[in-house]
Amino acid sequence: NAGVTQTPKFQVLKTGQSMTLQCAQDMNHNSMYWYRQDPGMGLRLIYYSASEGTTDKGEVPNGYNVSRLNKREFSLRLESAAPSQTSVYFCASGLVRGNQPQHFGDGTRLSIL
Amino acid sequence: GDSVTQMEGPVTLSEEAFLTINCTYTATGYPSLFWYVQYPGEGLQLLLKATKADDKGSNKGFEATYRKETTSFHLEKGSVQVSDSAVYFCALSDPTQGGSEKLVFGKGTKLTVNP
Repeated sequence: NAGVTQTPKFQVLKTGQSMTLQCAQDMNHNSMYWYRQDPGMGLRLIYYSASEGTTDKGEVPNGYNVSRLNKREFSLRLESAAPSQTSVYFCASGLVRGNQPQHFGDGTRLSIL
Repeated sequence: GDSVTQMEGPVTLSEEAFLTINCTYTATGYPSLFWYVQYPGEGLQLLLKATKADDKGSNKGFEATYRKETTSFHLEKGSVQVSDSAVYFCALSDPTQGGSEKLVFGKGTKLTVNP
């Protein structure tokens, strides 16, 4: 049972480059999320998707775009990477009920030079 | 808006010591409360949860009780082990905020347990 799978696990980019972080879940969850984790800041929500075909901004959406490709997959795109986007990115999925937990991938460690 | 406040870390304990990590919250509705744990190099894993007032969540020797009167959800363990060394996150989910159930996280507390 894979759960939530993120690729790649590590990436180094130069300022201005673009890339897409991939996320897939096999738990038949409706909702998917992208977070970033920075030292001393906890996890901050970038974008989320309540269901296939819908996406909404979270707390820190600037500089990012997302695509909910189907029920399983939710990608995060950096169009023009900036050093401030150096972070660890986590994808999560869950059911649309407040008493149910979210399930997290192992993260993508992204460095932008 | 909703918020979660955790005690500042890092916390360093000796093996078999008692652990408390404080967590308080602010929410407009009746949230569900969670503790997540993050081991080095890994993603977050659910440790325990409580969905209504006075509920006690428990797992792996950890416990936390949902206290509505003090808006708290403190994490406790009677005897920590070296393997408990990790970062612990308190989080809430408030369904009255509408839409998908987003989690609001505290900033995390790093625990180191020494042998």
